[in-house]
Amino acid sequence: AAGVIQSPRHLIKEKRETATLKCYPIPRHDTVYWYQQGPGQDPQFLISFYEKMQSDKGSIPDRFSAQQFSDYHSELNMSSLELGDSALYFCASSPYDGGYEQYFGPGTRLTVT
Amino acid sequence: ELKVEQNPLFLSMQEGKNYTIYCNYSTTSDRLYWYRQDPGKSLESLFVLLSNGAVKQEGRLMASLDTKARLSTLHITAAVHDLSATYFCAVDIRSGTYKYIFGTGTRLKVLA
Repeated sequence: AAGVIQSPRHLIKEKRETATLKCYPIPRHDTVYWYQQGPGQDPQFLISFYEKMQSDKGSIPDRFSAQQFSDYHSELNMSSLELGDSALYFCASSPYDGGYEQYFGPGTRLTVT
Repeated sequence: ELKVEQNPLFLSMQEGKNYTIYCNYSTTSDRLYWYRQDPGKSLESLFVLLSNGAVKQEGRLMASLDTKARLSTLHITAAVHDLSATYFCAVDIRSGTYKYIFGTGTRLKVLA
């Protein structure tokens, strides 16, 4: 069965640089979520999209932005990177119609040096 | 603000022993999720509990949900080394979409 795809899987950036993370949801899933997991921490909700519109927003820094495109893939753009942005970033998808169960991607490990 | 707490945070146990991980949450919810995470890896879904009294078992792991007590348990029977990992519970909140609030995690180490 098709799963959530995230790219790249690993990314190394320097402070103050910009990073773009991509997420391709499971086919026919129209809802995408982004989570951030710092070292030794639990995943924290960042933002979600339904039908290409932002639906909910969590503890996402103003330096980050995200969008969902017409093919339902989503991108998380991170600017002015800080050392504290180093984390695992997970994308998850779900079908909206009664779709409370989320399916997580493999994650992107971002390291900021 | 919804809080999801797990205990213990760390658990070191001998192979063959039994133990229970507890997950408490602070608001009403009929659904609870358990995940396993190996170091640096993604979240592997273990159980989806959808109603009060739900009980699910897979191998040496059994999960239950008591929505009235706002408590879920993950019971480990006759632990083996391969179960060493971090276990998270999560509760969903509907705010437009269903976002997950994760517990603090329990890092389990099974000693051979």
